[in-house]
Amino acid sequence: AQSVTQLGSHVSVSEGALVLLRCNYSSSVPPYLFWYVQYPNQGLQLLLKYTTGATLVKGINGFEAEFKKSETSFHLTKPSAHMSDAAEYFCAVSDHNDMRFGAGTRLTVKP
Amino acid sequence: EAGVTQFPSHSVIEKGQTVTLRCDPISGHDNLYWYRRVMGKEIKFLLHFVKESKQDESGMPNNRFLAERTGGTYSTLKVQPAELEDSGVYFCASSQVQTDTQYFGPGTRLTVL
Repeated sequence: AQSVTQLGSHVSVSEGALVLLRCNYSSSVPPYLFWYVQYPNQGLQLLLKYTTGATLVKGINGFEAEFKKSETSFHLTKPSAHMSDAAEYFCAVSDHNDMRFGAGTRLTVKP
Repeated sequence: EAGVTQFPSHSVIEKGQTVTLRCDPISGHDNLYWYRRVMGKEIKFLLHFVKESKQDESGMPNNRFLAERTGGTYSTLKVQPAELEDSGVYFCASSQVQTDTQYFGPGTRLTVL
């Protein structure tokens, strides 16, 4: 069975500061890993994904995530937060059939 | 290209009533998924269609939930009778066969009073 743990249901950063959202997973097969973002009153939007190959994955809006098999982690980072990054972020793992989500992390960006 | 659409965006009903949620996937996407998020908790898988067939319905909470996918196009999720614990946001997603990326709709927020 696969599962995802997102550490911190709420994260607050100042504009311009580093964003780090943590995600750890468990999977019995080599996983596919995803980060989705949900802006207010909108659906889930794919930020980035890891399937195979390069472990550092770049996504939209300046976000990136690194797959670390030894740590079973897929943390999401952005060097400099922008006010428009305020949203809820979901990490997800897929065993190529079903997708399992974490509980989400709400990011607040302070001016 | 139109994305995944869901209707209605919000629904408020009383306990014991029936509600039907609709999802229109991206054209050409054979895979269709339903998920639910109860307040503050993780997004949970409900079921997966491949065309009109139910591939996996292991996440359906109980027999008050009925999902259909007519002709392999749009899908409906009916809750009958609704209970208080059914409140939440119901998401639909679709994907092409043999791909890993699911595209999500905006969700339907269901409130059962």
